[in-house]
Amino acid sequence: DIVMTQSPLSLPVTPGEPASISCKSSQSLLHSNGYNYLDWYLQRPGQSPQLLIYLGSNRASGVPDRFSGSGSGTDFTLKISRVETEDVGVYYCIQTLQIPYTFGQGTKLEIK
Amino acid sequence: QVQLVQSGAEMKKPGASVKVSCKASGYTFTNYAIHWVRQAPGQRLEWVGWINTDNGAPKYSQKFQDRVTITTDASASTAYMELNSLKSEDTAAYYCARRSSAFDFWGQGTLVTVSS
Repeated sequence: DIVMTQSPLSLPVTPGEPASISCKSSQSLLHSNGYNYLDWYLQRPGQSPQLLIYLGSNRASGVPDRFSGSGSGTDFTLKISRVETEDVGVYYCIQTLQIPYTFGQGTKLEIK
Repeated sequence: QVQLVQSGAEMKKPGASVKVSCKASGYTFTNYAIHWVRQAPGQRLEWVGWINTDNGAPKYSQKFQDRVTITTDASASTAYMELNSLKSEDTAAYYCARRSSAFDFWGQGTLVTVSS
């Protein structure tokens, strides 16, 4: 199985400041079609996960443009340009290149 | 609007089975796959399996291969996940999710508690 490793696991951030989360995979997620099969989700407290970024760098419909995804192969990053209070929750990366799909451990973003 | 509405919380004894439903609305059910993901307390999300809602073909994580069955009733726009031989470690919230390029819509989750 592909192992997904996120860092940091806890991320205290002051509102208005940027934030960055790293996700590394044990195997390359770059498909021969040129897409990286890596998505990002936010799970707010008490809610279901919601899609933020798909195929490495594509922002999902309705997601604010302060969220961006980058990276290729085995190293990926989710960036929030200016954190807002509504961004609190746990962020997960997931690889969907190979079954079983596997998630990272999650990064808990909290407001300082 | 797209919605996935799951069945209610379940409490089961070890060794029993549970069947969770996921009713879709707001789109053509057979145009999108349905996946199942679970989350045990304090743990990361874990992928269970998926079903091609057009032809009914399922695919499971090897971890659950011998205990899980995912089915659909296309006439009712509903997917089901049945987990057998329940153990205390199966206590978790179970989510269904629609997949297009990613899991773009999720159900509200169904809490399954396994306890003697």
